[in-house]
Amino acid sequence: GESVGLHLPTLSVQEGDNSIINCAYSNSASDYFIWYKQESGKGPQFIIDIRSNMDKRQGQRVTVLLNKTVKHLSLQIAATQPGDSAVYFCAENRAEYGNKLVFGAGTILRVKS
Amino acid sequence: DGGITQSPKYLFRKEGQNVTLSCEQNLNHDAMYWYRQDPGQGLRLIYYSQIVNDFQKGDIAEGYSVSREKKESFPLTVTSAQKNPTAFYLCASTPGLAPGELFFGEGSRLTVL
Repeated sequence: GESVGLHLPTLSVQEGDNSIINCAYSNSASDYFIWYKQESGKGPQFIIDIRSNMDKRQGQRVTVLLNKTVKHLSLQIAATQPGDSAVYFCAENRAEYGNKLVFGAGTILRVKS
Repeated sequence: DGGITQSPKYLFRKEGQNVTLSCEQNLNHDAMYWYRQDPGQGLRLIYYSQIVNDFQKGDIAEGYSVSREKKESFPLTVTSAQKNPTAFYLCASTPGLAPGELFFGEGSRLTVL
């Protein structure tokens, strides 16, 4: 919503540049990860997911990288557009809790024209 | 179109009143979830239901109640016992228990006056 995003880290990029949004996760046993995009006042939209047996997965203009050694996930957006401005957050699947998704707080992406 | 419908989008409540948020899905998904979103925080799980007539508490169930009388519907009641109910509430569903994408509704913003 309008107030979502207060106190969140912000990434500002120029239109056309590439964006990299980072996420640290908590449990080395997590087996599935997902990125969501949330525009102001709306529900989260699925972007891309990745399972722990992969290091990289590509979609349309987006790539997710998984580094299990340091428990780090990143989302790369190529040729960032104004419509990409939103809050982005990652989630990890905690199988030990019955396949429960645990969400990060998010990162604000602002695209400057 | 298949999807999740939440209503109302905006709701105002006086202190001491119970309110019920509606969530309906036509995706034929077995599992449904309610999350709460506050500024600067990740989504927190309130309740979830894996099958009809069964539901489990999430991380912040106190002051909330749910029912799952039909597969398509998972209403959330915010009771007067919830000490800080002003928030953005999100309903979601998944086909089953395996880790995978959560399909979200557009959210309901509750404000306590």
